[in-house]
Formats: sequence, C-alpha cells, structure tokens
Amino acid sequence: KAGVTQTPRYLIKTRGQQVTLSCSPISGHRSVSWYQQTPGQGLQFLFEYFSETQRNKGNFPGRFSGRQFSNSRSEMNVSTLELGDSALYLCASSLESYGEQFFGPGTRLTVL
Amino acid sequence: DQQVKQNSPSLSVQEGRISILNCDYTNSMFDYFLWYKKYPAEGPTFLISISSIKDKNEDGRFTVFLNKSAKHLSLHIVPSQPGDSAVYFCAASARGYSTLTFGKGTMLLVSP
Repeated sequence: KAGVTQTPRYLIKTRGQQVTLSCSPISGHRSVSWYQQTPGQGLQFLFEYFSETQRNKGNFPGRFSGRQFSNSRSEMNVSTLELGDSALYLCASSLESYGEQFFGPGTRLTVL
Repeated sequence: DQQVKQNSPSLSVQEGRISILNCDYTNSMFDYFLWYKKYPAEGPTFLISISSIKDKNEDGRFTVFLNKSAKHLSLHIVPSQPGDSAVYFCAASARGYSTLTFGKGTMLLVSP
C-alpha cells in the first residue's frame, strides 16, 4: 500500500499571502489529521477530519482551515500568512477514529 | 501547559547497549500511548503503542512499559543500533479521540 503523500514538499511564501497544502491518506483510511511542527513548540494538533466532517480542532487561529473530500483526500489552507507560520506541516491518516496514525513526509512552509 | 513531557532532550548510548527513553503525562483521560521515530525532513514513523489496559508491549527490539499510577511510560531499545539514531516522540490520546498530544521529543544518538 502506498503511504500518506503530501504536496508540495516545499513552499516559500511571503507575509500576507495564503497557501493550500494537500494530503492523500493511505487507501481505506477515513481519518486525516494535520499537525504543525516548529522547533520551539514541537508537534501541535491542528484539526482532524473524518468522513468529510471536522471532528476536532486544535488551538489555532481561524486563519487555519481545512476540508476533506469524499475520497478522503484533505487540504489545509492558511490565509494571511505570518512569519510565525513557518513550519513543517504534517498530515496523518488512520483507519478509524482511534489508534495508530501514519504520517506523510510533510510540507516545509517558509514565510518570508 | 504540557500534558506530555519528555524531560530529556537528548540521550547518547553505545551500540549494543540498552536505550531507555522516558515520557510523563498529566492528563488522566489518556488511555492510549504511542512512540514515533523521526528523521530530519521526514514525517514521524510509528514504532509501538500500548493501551492503558496493559503495562508492557514488545515488538522485536522495542518494548514499551506503562506505569499508570505514576503516569509514566518508557521505551526500551535493546540492543541499540546506529540506525536507531533519530528523534523519538511520545504521544498520547484519550478514549474516543484520535487527536494525538505529543511530547517535544528526545534525540537519541547511538555511537558505534
């Protein structure tokens, strides 16, 4: 089975712009979660989608949003980018709503 | 307020010896615990997990121990190999939720 894929792998944006990141989960997995990794804060939960519905949301501002499509693929969007949004954004999928999550390679976002 | 803590930022071990990585948690609702391994520029790789109904789980060279009364878990790697050098993250989730709360990681260096 193919693993979790994320596109693009690297992205450079300037402050004020918006960005959309994409994630394709492992085939058959219905839950997709997004995490932000920064050197100071570690891995922090952004949100989780299950069957196209957002089920959980972390403590991030409304500039961070996401969605899931009927084929379980997910996108996350960050609007009005700030320098502090520079991070590795990781997507993880799981078969159901509980248990092991399997991560993609991440998208490295740099905001200048 | 960190709910999952890995108090050792780094650990150095010689090849062939035992590596012990520790993790403490504060949230009594956590009932499922996982360890992930991460190389730079890659997503975390799932290693091993344990449910709160157990106190030990083994998978090859990896063993996780859970002490619920102390809210403490540890990952033992025996014997350690240079390829084990990576950052190890402890993560926890609460029943019914797929959201993972991560520690900040411990960098393990196994020297030949």
